[in-house]
Amino acid sequence: DSGVTQTPKHLITATGQRVTLRCSPRSGDLSVYWYQQSLDQGLQFLIQYYNGEERAKGNILERFSAQQFPDLHSELNLSSLELGDSALYFCASSTQTYTDTQYFGPGTRLTVL
Amino acid sequence: GQQVMQIPQYQHVQEGEDFTTYCNSSTTLSNIQWYKQRPGGHPVFLIQLVKSGEVKKQKRLTFQFGEAKKNSSLHITATQTTDVGTYFCAENAGNMLTFGGGTRLMVKP
Repeated sequence: DSGVTQTPKHLITATGQRVTLRCSPRSGDLSVYWYQQSLDQGLQFLIQYYNGEERAKGNILERFSAQQFPDLHSELNLSSLELGDSALYFCASSTQTYTDTQYFGPGTRLTVL
Repeated sequence: GQQVMQIPQYQHVQEGEDFTTYCNSSTTLSNIQWYKQRPGGHPVFLIQLVKSGEVKKQKRLTFQFGEAKKNSSLHITATQTTDVGTYFCAENAGNMLTFGGGTRLMVKP
């Protein structure tokens, strides 16, 4: 158990819909990262927040957005869903610096039908 | 952008055999981290290498960082069924992890 929690564990939805994935970092961690894992693209970094502010952006689609709240939990919003958005979405957290170890949550498996 | 290539994609071994996975980059890496993801699980941090030529060991696992900091390897001696999973290398730079494609290790008992 990494100490990072993610909800829901599984999500099944239809194309065109919008979903919200939630992540609670380890106690004391200020940084939250979102990753997408799919069969064809592998593990890809989406976005990072540090203490409420966006710090880095990776291959995140414009249909996707995220935020980190004052209590440090984070949400990843996926809208206008397409079949290709079906993937495992991981959240990770670290204390602060970019060389810190990242601790991954159990992931949310999104299936778009 | 930065790409980290990892080979092989898959490896079947008999229990007790050794296993090695390799990561290569066309540019110098600031560091290399290794993660293990069990089937149905999430990536778990194993180790980080930072210095040129660095070698670190964790029981049966040996991690190396190349002299030019462009490649790295993970070697497992005498594999066990508990070693099953996908091993990823990743560079941690600029607040993001750039992962290699992973090597899926399967161990036959």
